[in-house]
Amino acid sequence: AQKVTQAQTEISVVEKEDVTLDCVYETRDTTYYLFWYKQPPSGELVFLIRRNSFDEQNEISGRYSWNFQKSTSSFNFTITASQVVDSAVYFCALSPPRYGGATNKLIFGTGTLLAVQP
Amino acid sequence: GAGVSQSPSNKVTEKGKDVELRCDPISGHTALYWYRQSLGQGLEFLIYFQGNSAPDKSGLPSDRFSAERTGGSVSTLTIQRTQQEDSAVYLCASSWIAERTDTQYFGPGTRLTVL
Repeated sequence: AQKVTQAQTEISVVEKEDVTLDCVYETRDTTYYLFWYKQPPSGELVFLIRRNSFDEQNEISGRYSWNFQKSTSSFNFTITASQVVDSAVYFCALSPPRYGGATNKLIFGTGTLLAVQP
Repeated sequence: GAGVSQSPSNKVTEKGKDVELRCDPISGHTALYWYRQSLGQGLEFLIYFQGNSAPDKSGLPSDRFSAERTGGSVSTLTIQRTQQEDSAVYLCASSWIAERTDTQYFGPGTRLTVL
């Protein structure tokens, strides 16, 4: 079975604080893909990052960074120096590879609501 | 370029009525997905279209739900005899097909309320 767990339902921080959003996944596939999406109050899911299972290099993009650890099945997301515009629901997702016509459907976690206070 | 568009943005209907939700994918994207986002179930996959292949309907919750994709582009999700539990935001996503995976880009969704 495939599953994504985001244990943090809500996080509230003050602007300029660093914040880490946790994501733990379960899969029996040896190849898989992990994603983070942002859903601001407008409702549209915005793609942030895609990571494949055979690349454990951490990634940094501006104030965003991602820590992928296969040993703990985690793919955590850190926002450095948070800003009010970062307030949104953040979803972690897992998808299997496309072998033999399999569908790359996304399996989402329940999301973490991040509120950044000014 | 234009992103994924969906219409209507909001739909209120009475229990038992049929509804149609429309999705216009990003131009040139060959794969199209429908998801549903509801308070009780979170984000869940409904159906997937890729080119001329048979769609993957494994996520459709009942036979009241159906979808089609015409000309490899626009897709319509139809819910017949709507029930209150169908109230949710219906999200459409499209992507380029890559060898092993693809990145899905989402539209703004249609918020369906069944009274």
